[in-house]
Amino acid sequence: EVQLVESGGGLVQSGGSLRLSCAASGFTVSNTYMNWVRQAPGKGLEWVSLIYSGNGTYHADSVRGRFTISRHSSRNTVYLQMHDLRPEDTATYYCAKSGYSRSFDFWGQGTLVTVSS
Amino acid sequence: SYELTQPTSVSVAPGKTTTIACGGNKIGTKSVHWYQQKPGQAPVLVIYYDSGRPSGIPERFSGSNSGNTATLTISRVEAGDEADYYCQVWDSSTYHWVFGGGTKLTVL
Repeated sequence: EVQLVESGGGLVQSGGSLRLSCAASGFTVSNTYMNWVRQAPGKGLEWVSLIYSGNGTYHADSVRGRFTISRHSSRNTVYLQMHDLRPEDTATYYCAKSGYSRSFDFWGQGTLVTVSS
Repeated sequence: SYELTQPTSVSVAPGKTTTIACGGNKIGTKSVHWYQQKPGQAPVLVIYYDSGRPSGIPERFSGSNSGNTATLTISRVEAGDEADYYCQVWDSSTYHWVFGGGTKLTVL
């Protein structure tokens, strides 16, 4: 059974850093496209980052240069390192797995990041 | 950057059929995915590749895509279908995933 469990969220001051983790089970992250998606309170979904086979990565313009997606194969875990956090980064962050169609076929339950000014 | 436009809200009576549109420039040339999100829950994939239906998604959910509009159709709407719905495409010019702004479906 596929499972994604996010952790690492919390309250941080503006300018601070956090590292989110997404522990996967039921499949191997090393050969799977993995994504982070965020949702600000009461707002819609915003794609944040993608890591694909060969460790290539893409990031949304709003986070490029501040956020980095990575993975640890032996831990079967994907990370999102976030630096220079801003109040507008406040959101629930979801980890999502891409399936055969590259659509996001499984999602974690999310972890809340709150950035205070 | 590529943009997707959805109506903010749609209302429908139980048992009726409703459609949710997702507009984008030449979206018919892209593959569209749709997600359902209920309050306090993570999104769930309901349609992939324009009209594919994942295992466990009722046949009442269907999709189409042509020209500048993709459409999610829900037939015989039930109270449990009340949720926010998002469309999604891959923008190959920027290597970004793009979500529509979301549509709140209210079952009257």
